[in-house]
Amino acid sequence: NAGVMQNPRHLVRRRGQEARLRCSPMKGHSHVYWYRQLPEEGLKFMVYLQKENIIDESGMPKERFSAEFPKEGPSILRIQQVVRGDSAAYFCASSEGQDPYEQYFGPGTRLTVT
Amino acid sequence: AQSVTQLDSQVPVFEEAPVELRCNYSSSVSVYLFWYVQYPNQGLQLLLKYLSGSTLVKGINGFEAEFNKSQTSFHLRKPSVHISDTAEYFCAVSGGTSYGKLTFGQGTILTVHP
Repeated sequence: NAGVMQNPRHLVRRRGQEARLRCSPMKGHSHVYWYRQLPEEGLKFMVYLQKENIIDESGMPKERFSAEFPKEGPSILRIQQVVRGDSAAYFCASSEGQDPYEQYFGPGTRLTVT
Repeated sequence: AQSVTQLDSQVPVFEEAPVELRCNYSSSVSVYLFWYVQYPNQGLQLLLKYLSGSTLVKGINGFEAEFNKSQTSFHLRKPSVHISDTAEYFCAVSGGTSYGKLTFGQGTILTVHP
């Protein structure tokens, strides 16, 4: 049973470009979470999605960031017009059900904005 | 709102010595508590979790943690550490209206010296 998959593992974007981060949850998991790890900070929750629904986006920046989890295919975290402050590690996690089920984390995508 | 405080940002220890990584949480509702480990450039792996029942929780790799409701603590312990335990450790909490969202502490870097 493959774990949570994220791609790309490393992504370099210039300021103003768009970044698309992909997350495939574990087989049988229908809940996906995105977290961001900024340098010198802990992991911060961004968004919680189920298939075709955003359940909680309280941690998402108000502008430039969006997330989706379509009926078919991976979950996508999209960052428009990236800035240097977006440089971070972005982790996706999935779970079989809702809290307090164990969340399984992917290896992360490390975004560098130049 | 929930919060987690990890009292030590770095803990150096010699191989085969015991270690305790401290975690305190704040929440107005019942919580579920987790400890995760992150090795360099990797995702997070669950060490152990407290959902209910016995306050002493045993996890993988010889780690254990004790839930203390009166002191709102969930300290992680291991009686004898190995070089391979060198990593960053995160305490996390979920529960109440968070619907699966994990709130993480700032992390503790455990360095095991030979």
